[in-house]
Amino acid sequence: KNEVEQSPQNLTAQEGEFITINCSYSVGISALHWLQQHPGGGIVSLFMLSSGKKKHGRLIATINIQEKHSSLHITASHPRDSAVYICAVRLVYGQNFVFGPGTRLSVLP
Amino acid sequence: DAGVIQSPRHEVTEMGQEVTLRCKPISGHDYLFWYRQTMMRGLELLIYFNNNVPIDDSGMPEDRFSAKMPNASFSTLKIQPSEPRDSAVYFCASSFGKGISRDTEAFFGQGTRLTVV
Repeated sequence: KNEVEQSPQNLTAQEGEFITINCSYSVGISALHWLQQHPGGGIVSLFMLSSGKKKHGRLIATINIQEKHSSLHITASHPRDSAVYICAVRLVYGQNFVFGPGTRLSVLP
Repeated sequence: DAGVIQSPRHEVTEMGQEVTLRCKPISGHDYLFWYRQTMMRGLELLIYFNNNVPIDDSGMPEDRFSAKMPNASFSTLKIQPSEPRDSAVYFCASSFGKGISRDTEAFFGQGTRLTVV
């Protein structure tokens, strides 16, 4: 069993739809990182959170430490949101990250 | 700051040749990570440094891979000799982890796409 799992693996949505991407993990963590990787390959940090909820523009990230689960929500989705979204957890000991397999999102106009 | 800078962006080399990837972390960051991304395995940690000292190199595939960080502003990842299965995108990332909250992001470079033929 992978330490970090994401669902769905692939997601296609129509422009304007509300999108949820889920991340679950099985190890003790100190923080969870949501990353975005565009088709060009660059990786951009979206959120780092260790509890509760964070919001930035149309993006919202939540984490439930007890349930070992995090969600990334995109409101009013747009074709430019099309990317791979990667969940990464920082282990309790050390500064390393363990990555999920990613969720490939396509938003159609 | 210009962010994490990696060079080259693309590298094509023949099997058996030595390859050196370079990374300049964000100034002031004390952690530097080397990751490899492939279609089959996704993102994997190769090695990371804290204050220029290697902390965890358990992800380095084999002796053909070596990494150095001679100072706080420069790191290299070397593959010698290279093999076709080393073809991947190699990312460098840096973060600041000294004595602050746990919410410390890692900032990634643009990656080096390595193709070994």
